[in-house]
Amino acid sequence: NAGVTQTPKFRVLKTGQSMTLLCAQDMNHEYMYWYRQDPGMGLRLIHYSVGEGTTAKGEVPDGYNVSRLKKQNFLLGLESAAPSQTSVYFCASRPTKLKYRGRNEQYFGPGTRLTVT
Amino acid sequence: GQNIDQPTEMTATEGAIVQINCTYQTSGFNGLFWYQQHAGEAPTFLSYNVLDGLEEKGRFSSFLSRSKGYSYLLLKELQMKDSASYLCAVSHTLTGGFKTIFGAGTRLFVKA
Repeated sequence: NAGVTQTPKFRVLKTGQSMTLLCAQDMNHEYMYWYRQDPGMGLRLIHYSVGEGTTAKGEVPDGYNVSRLKKQNFLLGLESAAPSQTSVYFCASRPTKLKYRGRNEQYFGPGTRLTVT
Repeated sequence: GQNIDQPTEMTATEGAIVQINCTYQTSGFNGLFWYQQHAGEAPTFLSYNVLDGLEEKGRFSSFLSRSKGYSYLLLKELQMKDSASYLCAVSHTLTGGFKTIFGAGTRLFVKA
């Protein structure tokens, strides 16, 4: 099992350019998440998905769009990149849909380091 | 609202014991996680508490008090490789699915 993979690992964009970050998981997980991590601010949820064909907004969704056309893939798009979007982006997935009082830890991808100039 | 507080940095000596505290406010509490994150790497799962009390796993233990909104991670017999950030995270059951709120993390420096 590869677990959670992210493509690309690094990217530099100019302001106004667009790009798509790809997240793939081979663990048949229902839930998938996109986070951004900035110094001193921890992980902030951008968007998430509770299953194929569904997406929902997290804490900081502005400037991003997502799609989950296949269960194993979760795409994060930046339509018009801004310097404020310079960050490390982590994708994560979780095995169960609803597991009250059960372990629901997330499995993280290696991250994408994005710089917008 | 949801909020998690933990110290920004801590320093400890190799072989010693260190306790990293975490306080939280959340509605629909469904468990508290601790993750370890080495610099430049992804977070990895360390521990999970949903009921009050202490969970022990090798050199790492985690404690939860739901009534106080408080948890701590205890690391014993510190090793240099334990130098990392430790993220406290709370799972909650708001509508839309189970989400997790992460604290900003505590950077632990282990010195010889």
